[in-house]
Amino acid sequence: EDQVTQSPEALRLQEGESSSLNCSYTVSGLRGLFWYRQDPGKGPEFLFTLYSAGEEKEKERLKATLTKKESFLHITAPKPEDSATYLCAGSPGGATNKLIFGTGTLLAVQP
Amino acid sequence: KAGVTQTPRYLIKTRGQQVTLSCSPISGHRSVSWYQQTPGQGLQFLFEYFSETQRNKGNFPGRFSGRQFSNSRSEMNVSTLELGDSALYLCASSLDKNTIYFGEGSWLTVV
Repeated sequence: EDQVTQSPEALRLQEGESSSLNCSYTVSGLRGLFWYRQDPGKGPEFLFTLYSAGEEKEKERLKATLTKKESFLHITAPKPEDSATYLCAGSPGGATNKLIFGTGTLLAVQP
Repeated sequence: KAGVTQTPRYLIKTRGQQVTLSCSPISGHRSVSWYQQTPGQGLQFLFEYFSETQRNKGNFPGRFSGRQFSNSRSEMNVSTLELGDSALYLCASSLDKNTIYFGEGSWLTVV
């Protein structure tokens, strides 16, 4: 069964304290690994799509990496505005845009 | 460029009633997917439509249905509402397999 697991469930950082979020996946024929940011009461905001092991993508203070079993979202020198829930999702192979989501990591960055 | 638009944003229904939610995808996007988000289960895939055809379906009862029109707009319907159907219903649209964008969602409360 396809599954995506994220850890930790919650993470509290001080402003400027870098860390990483983990996403483990078992998704048949993984076509893409997606990262989203979700603020309270809003829909997920697209961040990255990774396709193959070894791939890396960056956006401001965020960098996503992919291995054959995991993906990491590295947050460098976070700011309070980076506080949100970060969601990871895998898209299985085949003619579909279905996403299988993890339960997310709630990140709180304190000033 | 307009994003994914969902209506209504908030609604309250009574058990046993039915509800119809609407989604207008980003212009040019032919793939529309629906997700249910609850605190306990996270984001779960309901179904996907592409060019008016259901391309994939999640593990939800038959009370949940959807359709897509020729202009790619989509609707989902939930009949015989139950308390457990209270959730944030999210619509996502995609032009290709690389980026999937979400709307702000429709908050459904069943009382």
